Amino acid sequence: KAGVTQTPRYLIKTRGQQVTLSCSPISGHRSVSWYQQTPGQGLQFLFEYFSETQRNKGNFPGRFSGRQFSNSRSEMNVSTLELGDSALYLCASSGGLDSYEQYFGPGTRLTVT
Amino acid sequence: AQSVAQPEDQVNVAEGNPLTVKCTYSVSGNPYLFWYVQYPNRGLQFLLKYITGDNLVKGSYGFEAEFNKSQTSFHLKKPSALVSDSALYFCAVRDSGTGNQFYFGTGTSLTVIP
Repeated sequence: KAGVTQTPRYLIKTRGQQVTLSCSPISGHRSVSWYQQTPGQGLQFLFEYFSETQRNKGNFPGRFSGRQFSNSRSEMNVSTLELGDSALYLCASSGGLDSYEQYFGPGTRLTVT
Repeated sequence: AQSVAQPEDQVNVAEGNPLTVKCTYSVSGNPYLFWYVQYPNRGLQFLLKYITGDNLVKGSYGFEAEFNKSQTSFHLKKPSALVSDSALYFCAVRDSGTGNQFYFGTGTSLTVIP
C-alpha cells in the first residue's frame, strides 16, 4: 500500500506570496492532518480534515487554510507569506482499520526569503 | 489543558547501553499514547502505541514503552542501543476528550555514541 505523499518536497517563496501544498493520504484513509515543524517549536498542529470537513483547528492565523477533496486528498494554503512561515510542513493520514495512529508523509520544506 | 512534555531536549547514550526517552502527558479524557521517530529530512515514522491493555507495549526496532497512569508517563525504552537509533523522537497523545486531536511533544534528540 502506498504511503502518504506530499508535493512539492521543496519550495522557495518570497515574502508576500502565497503557496499551496498538496497531500495524498494512504488509500482508504479519510482523515488528513497538517503540522508545522520548526526547530524551536516542534510539531504544531494546523488543522485536521475528515470527509471534506474541518474537524479540528490549531492556533494559527487565518492566513493558513486548508481543504479536503472527495478523494481525501488535501491541500494547505498559506497566503501573504512571512519569513517565520519557513518550516517543514507535514501531512499525516489516519482512518484505516488501525485508525488510532497517524502516518506521516515526508513533508514539504518551505523556505520564505 | 492537554499537553505532552519531553523534559530532555538531548539524550546521549553509549552503544550497547540501555536507553530511556522520557514523556509525560496531560489529557482530559482517556489517553491514546504514541511514539514516533524522525530521521534527518524525513517524515515521522510510527514506533509504537498504547491504547488499552498491558502497560508495557512493544514496537518496532526493539523499542518498548511503559504506560504509567499514576505518573501520567509513557517513557520509551530499549535494552541495548544501536548507533542507528540516533534520531529525533516524539511522544504524542490523542485525547478522546477533545475530538481525538493529536498533541506532540517538542522532541528528544537521541545520540548513540559508538
